[in-house]
Amino acid sequence: SQKIEQNSEALNIQEGKTATLTCNYTNYSPAYLQWYRQDPGRGPVFLLLIRENEKEKRKERLKVTFDTTLKQSLFHITASQPADSATYLCALVPTDSWGKFQFGAGTQVVVTP
Amino acid sequence: ETGVTQTPRHLVMGMTNKKSLKCEQHLGHNAMYWYKQSAKKPLELMFVYSLEERVENNSVPSRFSPECPNSSHLFLHLHTLQPEDSALYLCASSQEVGTPTDTQYFGPGTRLTVL
Repeated sequence: SQKIEQNSEALNIQEGKTATLTCNYTNYSPAYLQWYRQDPGRGPVFLLLIRENEKEKRKERLKVTFDTTLKQSLFHITASQPADSATYLCALVPTDSWGKFQFGAGTQVVVTP
Repeated sequence: ETGVTQTPRHLVMGMTNKKSLKCEQHLGHNAMYWYKQSAKKPLELMFVYSLEERVENNSVPSRFSPECPNSSHLFLHLHTLQPEDSALYLCASSQEVGTPTDTQYFGPGTRLTVL
């Protein structure tokens, strides 16, 4: 069966450190993968998109990698700040089902001063 | 108003009630979506509309009935719900279904509690 797995345990990290989140998928062949941020009581907000032929993508303090061999994406927040505390979701769209976004359950990040 | 708005933000209903959730997008997008989000679970895609035509119905029970009168508005009509339907219902829009770089713009959600 198709699955998207993210670490269900919250990631507690000290301010200034790098947070690394994992998104693993099985039985998908996505052309691209996306990351979203969700704050409590709010809808997810799009952060980054990475294509299958891109190894790495950066946006300010965020970095995403995409390894189609390992079927894994890593999401890094460098120099983390308390304002980065949120739940981060990965999402992919199967190439044979445009529009059918598939989301992981998300990983909560807590950055302490 | 900008982005995607949803009303009401909170809704408590009994199992015999009928209610509707409303979503409006101000982004000029052609696609709209309904998702269900339960605690600690992935977002579940419920319905997809492209230019007011339903293109996906993800095996959703008939007690949920969507309506898309135009590309800016989306409704979810609810009737005879069950307690397990209690969740956060999120509406989203995107530029165009079927483009490789399509991304979702979400509303704030409606927190639904079924008693």
